[in-house]
Amino acid sequence: GAVVSQHPSWVICKSGTSVKIECRSLDFQATTMFWYRQFPKQSLMLMATSNEGSKATYEQGVEKDKFLINHASLTLSTLTVTSAHPEDSSFYICSASRLWQDNEQFFGPGTRLTVL
Amino acid sequence: DAKTTQPNSMESNEEEPVHLPCNHSTISGTDYIHWYRQLPSQGPEYVIHGLTSNVNNRMASLAIAEDRKSSTLILHRATLRDAAVYYCILRDYFGNEKLTFGTGTRLTIIP
Repeated sequence: GAVVSQHPSWVICKSGTSVKIECRSLDFQATTMFWYRQFPKQSLMLMATSNEGSKATYEQGVEKDKFLINHASLTLSTLTVTSAHPEDSSFYICSASRLWQDNEQFFGPGTRLTVL
Repeated sequence: DAKTTQPNSMESNEEEPVHLPCNHSTISGTDYIHWYRQLPSQGPEYVIHGLTSNVNNRMASLAIAEDRKSSTLILHRATLRDAAVYYCILRDYFGNEKLTFGTGTRLTIIP
């Protein structure tokens, strides 16, 4: 149990377009979901924390108008990269924590975004 | 958040035990020690966590120093599938659930 999926697994888009990435907890209700970004050969950097039904909390330096997060239900959070540019090309990973079991975060497989 | 220090890389032979160290000299009394690992091109996965006592699970063991300023993740019998980046992370029990990833240790397994 405790599986987190992401869709799509990879996406290539043109500069200036918007891209939506979905994160779903398949077999549990996620109280909180997190979005990370990882550049090649680097560690994960937390972008934002989202709770169902409330606005996401963004980390310092992350543009909330560029990276729109919607957490519509206890099993789905979406990250939309608006007006994507080549510097937004990265590996985007979500994670979720389970109600009453927040010692462990369950990570999705990641979405590789390439902006041409 | 309190910081952790890990070696950038380590190598180990297949089927031998691996000891991955982590220093966290500024750990507070309510910080849990968490370990995650990330296989190539995948999201991280939880390995183990502990507070004061040593912990064992099916994946690994966690040995925590008596003063809690350091800990060691032990893989009892490394396989090629254990090649990954291992992250040691402190998380305040009374804080939020955020995980702050450092640079981790890249473990290479030699066949």
